[in-house]
Order: sequence, then structure tokens, then C-alpha cells
Amino acid sequence: DTEVTQTPKHLVMGMTNKKSLKCEQHMGHRAMYWYKQKAKKPPELMFVYSYEKLSINESVPSRFSPECPNSSLLNLHLHALQPEDSALYLCASSQDGAAVWSEQYFGPGTRLTVT
Amino acid sequence: AQSVTQPDIHITVSEGASLELRCNYSYGATPYLFWYVQSPGQGLQLLLKYFSGDTLVQGIKGFEAEFKRSQSSFNLRKPSVHWSDAAEYFCAVGTNDMRFGAGTRLTVKP
Repeated sequence: DTEVTQTPKHLVMGMTNKKSLKCEQHMGHRAMYWYKQKAKKPPELMFVYSYEKLSINESVPSRFSPECPNSSLLNLHLHALQPEDSALYLCASSQDGAAVWSEQYFGPGTRLTVT
Repeated sequence: AQSVTQPDIHITVSEGASLELRCNYSYGATPYLFWYVQSPGQGLQLLLKYFSGDTLVQGIKGFEAEFKRSQSSFNLRKPSVHWSDAAEYFCAVGTNDMRFGAGTRLTVKP
């Protein structure tokens, strides 16, 4: 299995809602990532989990809350989002948990719209 | 300042023509270098990578890239473009984290 899966594919939520994005990989990778990508822009790193511990938080607002329940699963909990948070949210994983610059495998993304 | 630059925002080539996408980086040491491709609304797929060794690297889908230390460049090439190659291409640099260039959108004319 060489895939990173993400659910849901699309999500529409109001500014008072609480929702979660899910990411899963079964490649035995030890680093997992959340990226945010706005239209016609490159991905921007949000969080990095290395060996299931949060190692990088790129000054992301607290309305985004990551969670790594085990080495295969990564969640992103969303609460009180703003319309400008609408974007494609990408999950990625890499084999070496100690080298966040190593080659990353990306999921297809969740298209989030905040109304 | 550390940076990765893709000078071309948009490139149009005819099907069957050759392709070169440019990437320049500015870092204190040679970083790890990657090229990714993204089709509309999809995730990113790794085309190839350079860590060390042979400066000409082969990737998937017939792509190759050449690392030139003297020019701080890592340009992506393909000898004959197919219509299915139309997509967004990102150069990325890995040091303490992963940074992406702004991307080059490739359009393929029939």
C-alpha cells in the first residue's frame, strides 16, 4: 500500500461548526504533515508530526488543532474557522521521522469551504 | 535569505515538443531537491529527487532533472511532452523543512 488517503474529499462548514479532517497511511512512515494550499499557490506547511509527536507548528492559529493518535493516522480538528481558511488541505507522510525534508507522499487533499 | 524560485509562472508548449522548467535556489549548502506535479484539485506527486551523486536524475513519466551547483539550479526536462503532462509543477527544497517554489503551470497545445 503506497497511498495516503484523506477524508472527506470535500467539506463545507459554517464558522460556528466543529469538524475534523482525517489522514491515513499504511506505509510505515514515521513523519506526517499538514499543508494548506490556496488556489494558484504552493502548499504551506502547517504542522509536522515526527514519531507521533508534534515537532513543527508553523504559527498556525489555535482554531486548527492537530492530533496524531497513532503512527498511521493524523487528524486536523477545525473549530470557529474563518472564510479565509477555505483552501485545499493536504496531508503528506515521509519514511524518516527525523528528516522532515525527505521525500513526501501526498494525499489527494480535502477541499474545505467555510461559509 | 533562503529561497526557491521558479521564474516562469506559465509555460505553453506544443504536444511532442521538448520542455524545460526552471528552478533556482538560494541556500547556504546544497539542499535536497525535488520536483512535484499537481493536477487540478489533486494532491502532489513526486516526479524525482536529488540528494547527492550523479547530477542528472531520472524520474517518472519520462522526466529528468539536472543539478548544477555553480548555477544553483535544478531544472526539469522532458524530451517530448504529452497532453497529459498539463499540470502545475512545483520545485521544492528540503533543509530544515520543505519549501516549495511558486509553481509553473504547464499548458500543452494539441
